[in-house]
Amino acid sequence: DTGVSQDPRHKITKRGQNVTFRCDPISEHNRLYWYRQTLGQGPEFLTYFQNEAQLEKSRLLSDRFSAERPKGSFSTLEIQRTEQGDSAMYLCASSLGDRGLDTQYFGPGTRLTVL
Amino acid sequence: QQQVKQSPQSLIVQKGGISIINCAYENTAFDYFPWYQQFPGKGPALLIAIRPDVSEKKEGRFTISFNKSAKQFSLHIMDSQPGDSATYFCAASLYGQNFVFGPGTRLSVLP
Repeated sequence: DTGVSQDPRHKITKRGQNVTFRCDPISEHNRLYWYRQTLGQGPEFLTYFQNEAQLEKSRLLSDRFSAERPKGSFSTLEIQRTEQGDSAMYLCASSLGDRGLDTQYFGPGTRLTVL
Repeated sequence: QQQVKQSPQSLIVQKGGISIINCAYENTAFDYFPWYQQFPGKGPALLIAIRPDVSEKKEGRFTISFNKSAKQFSLHIMDSQPGDSATYFCAASLYGQNFVFGPGTRLSVLP
């Protein structure tokens, strides 16, 4: 399978716990994006990486959120001290990143439920 | 200025009909306008995309019409099929960086 993969697909946690999600992009894709999607809404941009460099972060990304892409391949998104408002689908996407090749390929998402 | 507006919120079309979804943006610097299709429980999948130097792009039954002066673009689905029933999102980006998505249109195609 050469698509974007995300793990886990579902996560249920209690308020106050920390969670970490993993995204494996399509190999040779330089850019990796994280989005959050709530029911009935479009994806909201959280952050993106060009190789291992985190180039942009949304104001939505509070201090409790951190993302890494240590070797320019897979990425992790950690949420500390989860709150009920963090319940959402967390989507990862990747793209080649070259001008004219902006097509994003999305993974299936990780659905987070905070009790 | 980063907002993308999308209408209608929901759309019901008979099989074989034309589905039309409209989007409007504010940031004139945006240079890439994709449309995504999303089925329940799945991530969005790219349908078709356009750049502002062309006014129309067609791929199969899907056509994007782009009006740069009005800052609007639309998706037309010809010969709509029940399998097209999904949520559709327009989006806009600059240099393939921060993608801004519309709120989505839920399309139902009746058999």
